Amino acid sequence: RKEVEQDPGPFNVPEGATVAFNCTYSNSASQSFFWYRQDCRKEPKLLMSVYSSGNEDGRFTAQLNRASQYISLLIRDSKLSDSATYLCATGGYNKLIFGAGTRLAVHP
Amino acid sequence: DARVTQTPRDKVTEMGQEVTMRCQPILGHNTVFWYRQTMMQGLELLAYFRNRAPLDDSGMPKDRFSAEMPDATLATLKIQPSEPRDSAVYFCASGLGSDTEAFFGQGTRLTVV
Repeated sequence: RKEVEQDPGPFNVPEGATVAFNCTYSNSASQSFFWYRQDCRKEPKLLMSVYSSGNEDGRFTAQLNRASQYISLLIRDSKLSDSATYLCATGGYNKLIFGAGTRLAVHP
Repeated sequence: DARVTQTPRDKVTEMGQEVTMRCQPILGHNTVFWYRQTMMQGLELLAYFRNRAPLDDSGMPKDRFSAEMPDATLATLKIQPSEPRDSAVYFCASGLGSDTEAFFGQGTRLTVV
């Protein structure tokens, strides 16, 4: 079983839709959590860190559920430019481990 | 604009040849990660350095891969001999510890034929 697991998708949604991704992690000692965005043939770029209290950045909301060991990302009012692969990552104890990513395709 | 720099961007080599990939981390960052990305496996952690010391290379095939950090401005990943199954995109990332975000270079796309 992989340390960090994500539904690969693709999630195909129309513009304006709300879409949510979940990511589960197996290491209960994980101390930090992140969402990255990766465009085709590009490097991953940090989208947002995930705090215990949850956090919001514009149309993006991230939540952490330590008891169930998952993090989530909610995107409201999807834009065409949101089309990308979204990677979650957990950190701590000398490792920063990524999930394989969830592909999002937003269509007109 | 601080960024992680990787060279080469693309590399095509024949099976059996040695491949060396280089990474210049962001100035002031004390941690460097090497990842390999394929369609099948996603982003796999190969090795991790803190203050130039290798802390974790458990994800790296030891028989053919080696990672070093000869100084604070250079990290290298070497494959010798290379095999077709090594074809992937290799990313270097730097940061201030595994508890903080990592910043990625643009990657080296390796093709072994």
